[in-house]
Amino acid sequence: SSELTQDPAVSVALGQTVRITCQGDSLTNYHASWYQQKPGRAPVLVVYGQDNRPSGIPDRFSGSTSGNTASLTITGTQAEDEADYYCNSRDSSDDHWMFGGGTKLTVL
Amino acid sequence: QLQLQESGPGLVKPSETLSLTCSVSGDSISTSTYYWGWVRQPPGEGLEWIGSIFYSGNTYYNPSLKSRVSMSVDTSKNQISLKLRSVTAADTSVYYCARHSTSNRVGWFAPWGQGTLVTVSS
Repeated sequence: SSELTQDPAVSVALGQTVRITCQGDSLTNYHASWYQQKPGRAPVLVVYGQDNRPSGIPDRFSGSTSGNTASLTITGTQAEDEADYYCNSRDSSDDHWMFGGGTKLTVL
Repeated sequence: QLQLQESGPGLVKPSETLSLTCSVSGDSISTSTYYWGWVRQPPGEGLEWIGSIFYSGNTYYNPSLKSRVSMSVDTSKNQISLKLRSVTAADTSVYYCARHSTSNRVGWFAPWGQGTLVTVSS
């Protein structure tokens, strides 16, 4: 079966732009959704599909896909964006869903 | 406003069955067009999808857990349930329920319940 691969950790300077990536064969057929999780809290959906944001999510969060890689971009990163980020997508050969291993974002 | 709340024992003995319930408020499970999913997270680790269920009872499960998992819906109580059999310490996790939406070539989980920690220990 497929899997989704994320970098374990990424850092960004306050106010700068950061891209968090998620790689997997299934992403050539299915879009990713992205979740932000802060310590001790439930995950929160921040981006899904081509580039859709739920209401209440700032427009500095955006999503894109190229080939087998999905990306979550945060433009003008704020201190409150420091969190773990997970991608999720469907396995293209089976009826199941999977999460990436997560990326810990540190805002410097 | 849609809200989900997990409930169940916080401690389960090895080899026994973990049973959790997710109570949904703000939307009717039986009239919605969404699936309802369970996701777990071992302490300090990442997220793992367990399975999803439609109000009609149609389910699909993570292949790695399929032999031990069952999910059900109680439309009269607006609840979904999770059972995980023959648990071991590796099943110790925070268990979340979430509404699972699917559309053309994409799916997403939102909103999520607050999660409930289940520890497997004798």
